[in-house]
Amino acid sequence: EAGVAQSPRYKIIEKRQSVAFWCNPISGHATLYWYQQILGQGPKLLIQFQNNGVVDDSQLPKDRFSAERLKGVDSTLKIQPAKLEDSAVYLCASSLPGGREQFFGPGTRLTVL
Amino acid sequence: SQELEQSPQSLIVQEGKNLTINCTSSKTLYGLYWYKQKYGEGLIFLMMLQKGGEEKSHEKITAKLDEKKQQSSLHITASQPSHAGIYLCGAPKSGNTPLVFGKGTRLSVIA
Repeated sequence: EAGVAQSPRYKIIEKRQSVAFWCNPISGHATLYWYQQILGQGPKLLIQFQNNGVVDDSQLPKDRFSAERLKGVDSTLKIQPAKLEDSAVYLCASSLPGGREQFFGPGTRLTVL
Repeated sequence: SQELEQSPQSLIVQEGKNLTINCTSSKTLYGLYWYKQKYGEGLIFLMMLQKGGEEKSHEKITAKLDEKKQQSSLHITASQPSHAGIYLCGAPKSGNTPLVFGKGTRLSVIA
């Protein structure tokens, strides 16, 4: 069974530029999560999708971050414009409907200069 | 909001030694997850504990959940270099909601 796929694995941009990350969850997993992990911290939830609907985006900085999951499968997270403090690893996870175990992708490491 | 505190923050052990990592929640635990993370990579699921007093083992790693103390411990027996990494505990705020994570414990195993 294929795991959660993310791309790119690494990205370096300058502040005020835009960036987008892509995630393809495990087949059949209706729930998709985006987490932000700053160096030395645990992952922090940014947004949770159930199919193509948003369940929780209370911690998403909506002035610069946006995410979509139009067809209820893969998802894109965008930052526009990026700030220095956005440097982090962005992790995507998925789970079965009602499932408790979350499966994580390899993450995208973003460096903002 | 719920917070998870992990201790110690970092740990260096000699190969073959046993070690324990603790995770304490500020609120009631509705389950507790342990993950391992290699630097800069994704999280690898280790174990999920759902009930008070529950104990699970996988290879040389054992995890326990003490609901009354709102605490979980992860014990590694006879540590090996392959055990090195960052261990993260995570807990759902309730039910199946997203996980709140601790800051992690960085484990180094030296020969």
